[in-house]
Amino acid sequence: TQLLEQSPQFLSIQEGENLTVYCNSSSVFSSLQWYRQEPGEGPVLLVTVVTGGEVKKLKRLTFQFGDARKDSSLHITAAQPGDTGLYLCAGIRSNAGNMLTFGGGTRLMVKP
Amino acid sequence: NAGVTQTPKFQVLKTGQSMTLQCAQDMNHEYMSWYRQDPGMGLRLIHYSVGAGITDQGEVPNGYNVSRSTTEDFPLRLLSAAPSQTSVYFCASSYGIGGYTFGSGTRLTVV
Repeated sequence: TQLLEQSPQFLSIQEGENLTVYCNSSSVFSSLQWYRQEPGEGPVLLVTVVTGGEVKKLKRLTFQFGDARKDSSLHITAAQPGDTGLYLCAGIRSNAGNMLTFGGGTRLMVKP
Repeated sequence: NAGVTQTPKFQVLKTGQSMTLQCAQDMNHEYMSWYRQDPGMGLRLIHYSVGAGITDQGEVPNGYNVSRSTTEDFPLRLLSAAPSQTSVYFCASSYGIGGYTFGSGTRLTVV
């Protein structure tokens, strides 16, 4: 059982649709990060959320950190084919050397 | 600005062979770590370092060794390769609790 559970694992949608990816845990994190990974490359940081209830927007992407700092969501509005990729959430626990604990990832495909 | 550089990009080993995966960063980051990525399992932490001379075990350390003699370099050694170590390996560095910068990975196959 992974510490961070991401859902859904796979998502295939049409261009223009909206989607939400969830990242849930029973543990509290000091901060939570979202990464996007392209094939053959390492993950690239999209955002870091630190405060419970925090909402951050990055163009068409909206990230939310749960009030209890145990869960997070990523919402994409009007998805485009360029959004296709693997989305990973990762939590940092202050009692774990500030290292990242990753969820299993959500593989998104946006069809034109 | 190179960021995090990993070598080699691809490697095939026979069972029982040893090798070192190299990782270097030029951002003067204190934190460095090694992850392996397997299908459907995200990235799992192997070993990490919070500064030169300091290393610690992550979630899946067995079969791997690390050392951190300089701030820039954090090599990962496979002592006796096993097929279960077939994976994609990523090195990452960070200045603190901010975002991590990842290398482009080493794809390792053990036959």
